[in-house]
Amino acid sequence: DTEVTQTPKHLVMGMTNKKSLKCEQHMGHRAMYWYKQKAKKPPELMFVYSYEKLSINESVPSRFSPECPNSSLLNLHLHALQPEDSALYLCASSQDPGQGVRHEQYFGPGTRLTVT
Amino acid sequence: AQKVTQAQTEISVVEKEDVTLDCVYETRDTTYYLFWYKQPPSGELVFLIRRNSFDEQNEISGRYSWNFQKSTSSFNFTITASQVVDSAVYFCALRDDYKLSFGAGTTVTVRA
Repeated sequence: DTEVTQTPKHLVMGMTNKKSLKCEQHMGHRAMYWYKQKAKKPPELMFVYSYEKLSINESVPSRFSPECPNSSLLNLHLHALQPEDSALYLCASSQDPGQGVRHEQYFGPGTRLTVT
Repeated sequence: AQKVTQAQTEISVVEKEDVTLDCVYETRDTTYYLFWYKQPPSGELVFLIRRNSFDEQNEISGRYSWNFQKSTSSFNFTITASQVVDSAVYFCALRDDYKLSFGAGTTVTVRA
C-alpha cells in the first residue's frame, strides 16, 4: 500500500481564519514533506520532517506552521494567509530520511486551498 | 541554477502515437537519483520510476520506457501507443541532496 491521504480536498478560507491541513501515511515512512504547487508550476518544497522532527524549513513564512504529532501524521496550520497563498498543498512521505536520497517520495492527492 | 530542464512545455498526440518526453539534468554529484512523476488532472503526483546514477540500464514497464544517458545528462521517457488516460503533466526530478528538484513539467494531451 503506497497511499498518502490528505484532508480536506478543498478549503476556502478568509485572511483572518485559522485552519489546518492534515496528512496521514501508514507505510512506516520516517520522512514527511509539505509542498506548495501553484497552477502550471512544479511543486515547491516547504518543510521536511525526519523522524518526527523538523529538519528543513525552506524559508517559509511563519503564517504556515507545520506539526508532526506522530510518525504517521503531518499537519500544516494556517493563519492570516494572503490570497497569493492560494495553491495546491501536497504532502509526501519517503521511507528513510537517513538514506532518503535514493528513496522515492509518495504524494497525497493534495488540498486545493483558496484564500479570499 | 536550474537543475532539471524539460524543454517541451506541451505535447499533443493522437491516441496510439508514441510520445517521448525529454529531461536534461545538471548536478556536480557523482551519486544522484532521477525520477519521473505523473500528475493527472486530479492533482496527485504518481511515482513512475527511480533511477540511480550508477545504473544506466534502460527500463521498460508496459507501455512506458526510459532512456538514461549519463554522457548527455539525459533521462528521457517514452510512452508507446499512447492512450487518453496518459493525458497528464509529467515531471522529471533530480535528487542529489535533501530535496527533489523538479523540472517545469510537460503537459501531454492524448486525443481520441
